[in-house]
Amino acid sequence: AQSVTQLDSQVPVFEEAPVELRCNYSSSVSVYLFWYVQYPNQGLQLLLKYLSGSTLVKGINGFEAEFNKSQTSFHLRKPSVHISDTAEYFCAVRALYNNNDMRFGAGTRLTVKP
Amino acid sequence: DSGVTQTPKHLITATGQRVTLRCSPRSGDLSVYWYQQSLDQGLQFLIQYYNGEERAKGNILERFSAQQFPDLHSELNLSSLELGDSALYFCASTPGRVAGELFFGEGSRLTVL
Repeated sequence: AQSVTQLDSQVPVFEEAPVELRCNYSSSVSVYLFWYVQYPNQGLQLLLKYLSGSTLVKGINGFEAEFNKSQTSFHLRKPSVHISDTAEYFCAVRALYNNNDMRFGAGTRLTVKP
Repeated sequence: DSGVTQTPKHLITATGQRVTLRCSPRSGDLSVYWYQQSLDQGLQFLIQYYNGEERAKGNILERFSAQQFPDLHSELNLSSLELGDSALYFCASTPGRVAGELFFGEGSRLTVL
């Protein structure tokens, strides 16, 4: 089965600074990768996904992520964060075949300070 | 708004009781997933249904059960509740049998006292 490790449980940054949220995955088969965001008192919503093709994936709200197969990573980046980016971010993985469930990491709480 | 509706939003009950959480997927989505989110366990996959049939099972306790009805809404039944069952329970839906993007509801927060 596949699994996901988010290396940082909390990331505090100042407004307009760049940020990187790290995600590593483990799987014996090819995978699809996702980043979801959860704002307070809301459900998760998709930021971006990697299914195939270009390893650099652009998502909503100025976020992007790069799939690195050799390092089994899918780190999320944003060049300049806003206060409104404060939220919990989840990396998720699912196998291409024979698996119907999506496995989530433990989450990274991004706090953007003024 | 994801289009996934969950009720109730909040629920407070006592140990040993039984509760039912309800989920209406997005219009046209055939797959429903249930997840449990707690502080110590994170987001845990419980179970998936596709068009009325159980499709995949995760870390679901024997005290918990679920079903998907002909109109595609789903219910998660939690019985003999324990303090540790206090959590946020999410429902998510997708159009097909295999999970692409998941569309999440806003969750049902269960507090067991």
